[in-house]
Amino acid sequence: GAVVSQHPSRVICKSGTSVKIECRSLDFQATTMFWYRQFPKQSLMLMATSNEGSKATYEQGVEKDKFLINHASLTLSTLTVTSAHPEDSSFYICSAEWVVPGVLFFGSGTQLSVL
Amino acid sequence: DAKTTQPTSMDCAEGRAANLPCNHSTISGNEYVYWYRQIHSQGPQYIIHGLKNNETNEMASLIITEDRKSSTLILPHATLRDTAVYYCIVRVFNDYKLSFGAGTTVTVRA
Repeated sequence: GAVVSQHPSRVICKSGTSVKIECRSLDFQATTMFWYRQFPKQSLMLMATSNEGSKATYEQGVEKDKFLINHASLTLSTLTVTSAHPEDSSFYICSAEWVVPGVLFFGSGTQLSVL
Repeated sequence: DAKTTQPTSMDCAEGRAANLPCNHSTISGNEYVYWYRQIHSQGPQYIIHGLKNNETNEMASLIITEDRKSSTLILPHATLRDTAVYYCIVRVFNDYKLSFGAGTTVTVRA
């Protein structure tokens, strides 16, 4: 299957700092990428949909000024958690939609811990 | 998108077929059934999808009932590495969202 690379896999930061997570589709171009968040023992929650060259679409309840998404090219989307706080600690996962609608390839996830 | 119902958990024996059920009684004609799985602490993995015909690939088979109100994912020879949470998702083909429910926690035992 197609490969989506996500970095970093784990990050620990101090409260108040910003963290950037990168998501790259390595062997296909992805017009649409998705960002999910997952708390322990819970399912994935869609945060936002990222479309190349346009503004991201955020799900209800997700603060767009806190979770900045940039999709500057067909192979790269970034999520920046600004002024992170302990409640932002979570597992963040990106995905890219393949040429077949509904078929998503996922990154390996980023475990964010805010102290 | 139509709601899906899956058992919370199930065990299966290594080497045996694992049959994972999913109910989607409110599915509409243009909605597909997708299956994904998530191994602990990893990103989800696409398994298979279908509309109304049975589908098979190198990972699994998908059996959809004639009325399309339920489906079964079959892992033909379960291995310990198939232990994961399996998600059954119903989605309109060209809808941009894929929403995950609680899934079924499958534990393959030696």
